Amino acid sequence: DIQMTQSPSSLSASVGDRVTITCRASQGISNSLAWYQQKPGKAPKLLFYGASRLESGVPSRFSGSGSGTDYTLTISSLQPEDFATYYCQQYYGTPRTFGQGTKVEIK
Amino acid sequence: EVQLLESGGGLVQPGGSLRLSCAASGFTFSSYAMSWVRQAPGKGLEWVSGIRDSGGSTYYADSVKGRFTISRDNSKNTLYVQMNSLRADDTAVYYCAKDLSSATGLYFDHWGQGTLVTVSS
Repeated sequence: DIQMTQSPSSLSASVGDRVTITCRASQGISNSLAWYQQKPGKAPKLLFYGASRLESGVPSRFSGSGSGTDYTLTISSLQPEDFATYYCQQYYGTPRTFGQGTKVEIK
Repeated sequence: EVQLLESGGGLVQPGGSLRLSCAASGFTFSSYAMSWVRQAPGKGLEWVSGIRDSGGSTYYADSVKGRFTISRDNSKNTLYVQMNSLRADDTAVYYCAKDLSSATGLYFDHWGQGTLVTVSS
């Protein structure tokens, strides 16, 4: 199975901060990467697919990038509604696997 | 609007069985693969099982292979998972998730709200 490792596991940030979350795959995944946002008690919501393709309706302050084994999710200016847990997921190999999550908390 | 509504969760004893259902609406259910993804309390996401649009191909995580059976009824727009020989580590919120295409293996563009399964004596 392809292992996905996110860093950091959690972070504290203030409204307006720039936030970057990293996801590393145990082997190259050819941009077959999705990012999800999950708020407490809610289902995950798709943010990106193809590493950098923004899902319809997702604010442009979110961006995704990367290649090979290393990928990043960036929030350019953190908003109150962005405090949540973020997960990466690879769909290059079977089974599909998720990172352990990065919790973004209010400083 | 795509809607996925899970049901069937609850408390079950170790070794017991449970069947979860997911009622789908707002899209052509028979054209898309579907999956079950679970989340143990306070933990991350784990893909459990998937089924392609026709139901002809099914896939399982090693952790549930031989114990869980995924199925679908395209005439009822409903996805199922039959869970047998349940263990404490099966305790989780189970989400129904819609795949992007007719075959499994991509990402999930819509999720249900989840149903909690608790395995405990």
